[in-house]
Amino acid sequence: SQQGEEDPQALSIQEGENATMNCSYKTSINNLQWYRQNSGRGLVHLILIRSNEREKHSGRLRVTLDTSKKSSSLLITASRAADTASYFCATKSNQFYFGTGTSLTVIP
Amino acid sequence: DTGVSQNPRHKITKRGQNVTFRCDPISEHNRLYWYRQTLGQGPEFLTYFQNEAQLEKSRLLSDRFSAERPKGSFSTLEIQRTEQGDSAMYLCASSPPDGNTIYFGEGSWLTVV
Repeated sequence: SQQGEEDPQALSIQEGENATMNCSYKTSINNLQWYRQNSGRGLVHLILIRSNEREKHSGRLRVTLDTSKKSSSLLITASRAADTASYFCATKSNQFYFGTGTSLTVIP
Repeated sequence: DTGVSQNPRHKITKRGQNVTFRCDPISEHNRLYWYRQTLGQGPEFLTYFQNEAQLEKSRLLSDRFSAERPKGSFSTLEIQRTEQGDSAMYLCASSPPDGNTIYFGEGSWLTVV
């Protein structure tokens, strides 16, 4: 079974607003990653946060990690219509497990 | 194009037929992964290789599924006696030796009719 669970399952916002997605996982991790998937396409790596890091930024992306709560969040600031996609968190122990994803729709 | 390459991109087959998908990983990536994804779900792990060795297989990989990576480069995933429940997108990914990030291909869509 998958280790990660994203919340919410679906999110719809207006362009320019911020989008926050959460991920909870079950076991100890070496790192946690977020991926993006456009409809019908492969997944694209967005950002990696290591287990000893608490926050990381990349452009309009901000990721936090709370290993005590086994949770992570992905914040996309100033969203654009092109951000419309599904977002997955992935945890790595021996290999990578993905959550069920958050489907983000950004309305122009 | 130096990304992960998968083919065919789409395959429609009749139930009971065999299908084979091929994955060419990024050069010098020694790890190769296969995942299956159905609509509205995240990728489900099937199996992974380090070089030519198949190190882990999911229980999702029934006896009808077999994966190979004979020379530690490209890999094939074969599904024998396909069933309608096999309809999904099959994703291949590879990672470098540090193994911290995996890079996906565009996937191979299978429709069993």
